[in-house]
Amino acid sequence: DGGITQSPKYLFRKEGQNVTLSCEQNLNHDAMYWYRQDPGQGLRLIYYSQIVNDFQKGDIAEGYSVSREKKESFPLTVTSAQKNPTAFYLCASSSTSGNTIYFGEGSWLTVV
Amino acid sequence: GENVEQHPSTLSVQEGDSAVIKCTYSDSASNYFPWYKQELGKGPQLIIDIRSNVGEKKDQRIAVTLNKTAKHFSLHITETQPEDSAVYFCAASRRSYDKVIFGPGTSLSVIP
Repeated sequence: DGGITQSPKYLFRKEGQNVTLSCEQNLNHDAMYWYRQDPGQGLRLIYYSQIVNDFQKGDIAEGYSVSREKKESFPLTVTSAQKNPTAFYLCASSSTSGNTIYFGEGSWLTVV
Repeated sequence: GENVEQHPSTLSVQEGDSAVIKCTYSDSASNYFPWYKQELGKGPQLIIDIRSNVGEKKDQRIAVTLNKTAKHFSLHITETQPEDSAVYFCAASRRSYDKVIFGPGTSLSVIP
C-alpha cells in the first residue's frame, strides 16, 4: 500500500537524551514535513523539505534537527536542547503538482 | 506570514443537525484551502479542499465555501452522524508546495 510510515508509534526517553523519529513515504512525493501537536492544540511546523538534500526551518525548529538524504526518508531528531519535547509528532508529504498534504499516523514521544 | 484563525474551538450538535466551522486567513496570495479530520491518536485525513478559482465544492454531506474578497472559508457538514465526531482543521497555502498553515482546530461532538 502507498503511504507514509512513521516509527516508532510510542517512544519513551529520559530527559537529556537525543531521539530520532523515522518517516518513510512511498508516494514519490518531493516535499516532506514534520509537525508537532500538543494535547488539544493545533499543528505547528518544525521543518520541511522540498527536495533531497535541502530543508527549511518551520515555526518551532529550535531543539530539532532533520536530514533529507533520500527522497523517501525524512528523519527527525529531537535533541536534548528541546525544552519540552513530550508531544505527538506528525510527518507529512506532498507532491510538486499540488498542495495536498498527506499525513502519517504519528509518533507519541514521552520524555521522563 | 500567513495566519489562519478558526471558530468555534468546540462545537456540539445533535445527530442529524448541521455543523458549520469557519476560518479566516491573512495572506491574500493563498489559493489552496484544505480541510482535515483528525480522530483521536491518528494523523489528520484530508476530507475536502477548494482552490481559489472555485466558490463552493460539495462531496456528499460535506461542502466548503470560499469568499476570497473577505478572506474566509467555511466547512458545512449536513445530517451529522456520531462518526463525524473528531477534530477538524482548516488550512491555507499558496501555489506549489509552499508550506501549509493550519488553523487551531475545532473539536466537533455529535450527540446521538
